Amino acid sequence: DAKTTQPNSMESNEEEPVHLPCNHSTISGTDYIHWYRQLPSQGPEYVIHGLTSNVNNRMASLAIAEDRKSSTLILHRATLRDAAVYYCILRAAGTASKLTFGTGTRLQVTL
Amino acid sequence: GAGVSQSPSNKVTEKGKDVELRCDPISGHTALYWYRQSLGQGLEFLIYFQGNSAPDKSGLPSDRFSAERTGGSVSTLTIQRTQQEDSAVYLCASSLRTRGSGTGELFFGEGSRLTVL
Repeated sequence: DAKTTQPNSMESNEEEPVHLPCNHSTISGTDYIHWYRQLPSQGPEYVIHGLTSNVNNRMASLAIAEDRKSSTLILHRATLRDAAVYYCILRAAGTASKLTFGTGTRLQVTL
Repeated sequence: GAGVSQSPSNKVTEKGKDVELRCDPISGHTALYWYRQSLGQGLEFLIYFQGNSAPDKSGLPSDRFSAERTGGSVSTLTIQRTQQEDSAVYLCASSLRTRGSGTGELFFGEGSRLTVL
């Protein structure tokens, strides 16, 4: 599996935007970029995914670099409920294979 | 229920005993995954089932660990002769199998917390 690199932790103030970076310099042409998050004492939950174009959904936006070697998860207005560990994961197309979770970024949100 | 259901939610056992953890996936989901998460650590893949295909067992840490999935639905993870280092939260997830889009979003259960004394 191609590797991803994320900062160990980030902090944000409530109601401010948060940009969570992910580097994936060895990404292959058929790898999708997935983001999951894990709230305290819960299992992970899906956030968003994309291939080449930027993506938006009700939870977040995903900005993908033109060369696809990096991406950024954007939370437009962080709330205390967004405090979680965020995982950036690459997943090959055409398969429902396992997801390999790295160590993720622990996001702290303060008032 | 609508989500992935796991039982028991908590299990305390003595070293050397066998334990079984159960996972009931979302109806219609053909893929089922087991992960474990030790305290303060990331998720460690254990095993993956997809339909009638042979399971991907590449993550099982030792031959004390085994899993089966009966009738393409419920799965049981069995740990024999438990050791203290087996203490962790065991998470189950299920997904639809999709082709070409790389989606197949995983839906996780709340996990089974295993404590080996």
